[in-house]
Amino acid sequence: KAGVTQTPRYLIKTRGQQVTLSCSPISGHRSVSWYQQTPGQGLQFLFEYFSETQRNKGNFPGRFSGRQFSNSRSEMNVSTLELGDSALYLCASSPDRGATYEQYFGPGTRLTVT
Amino acid sequence: AQSVAQPEDQVNVAEGNPLTVKCTYSVSGNPYLFWYVQYPNRGLQFLLKYITGDNLVKGSYGFEAEFNKSQTSFHLKKPSALVSDSALYFCAVRDRGSTLGRLYFGRGTQLTVWP
Repeated sequence: KAGVTQTPRYLIKTRGQQVTLSCSPISGHRSVSWYQQTPGQGLQFLFEYFSETQRNKGNFPGRFSGRQFSNSRSEMNVSTLELGDSALYLCASSPDRGATYEQYFGPGTRLTVT
Repeated sequence: AQSVAQPEDQVNVAEGNPLTVKCTYSVSGNPYLFWYVQYPNRGLQFLLKYITGDNLVKGSYGFEAEFNKSQTSFHLKKPSALVSDSALYFCAVRDRGSTLGRLYFGRGTQLTVWP
């Protein structure tokens, strides 16, 4: 099976712009989560989707939003970019919801805001 | 509240020696515990998990971890380290009672194995 894919892999944006990141989960996986990784804050949870519904949301401002499509693919959007949004954004999928399942991570999208 | 602590930012070990990467956790109920590894410019790779049963869990690439409920620890171990094991290691936890997929991660431990 192909792994989790994320596009684009690298992105450079200017402060104030918006950006959309895409994630395709492993085939058959219905749960998708997003995390932000920075050197200062480590891995921080953004949101979790299952069957097109957001089930959980982390402590991020409303500029961060996401959605999941019927084929389980997911997108996240960041509006009005700030310098502090520069980070590695990781998408992870798992077969189903439930605490016993491990998550499988994509390679990430490296976002740089200038 | 759920949290994970990795008390060592950096662990250095010589190739061929045993390695230990420490993790302690705090959850409101019983935990599910996970270890992940991250290589430079890559996403996280799943190594192993503790769900129930034997306290010693074996995972990928010769790694194992020991769950200790009384000490609320889940230390990652390997009997003989390889240079290729050099990477960033993350411990993560979920509350057993949760139906949500969110993982709570530690800050990570940079493992360096010297030849």
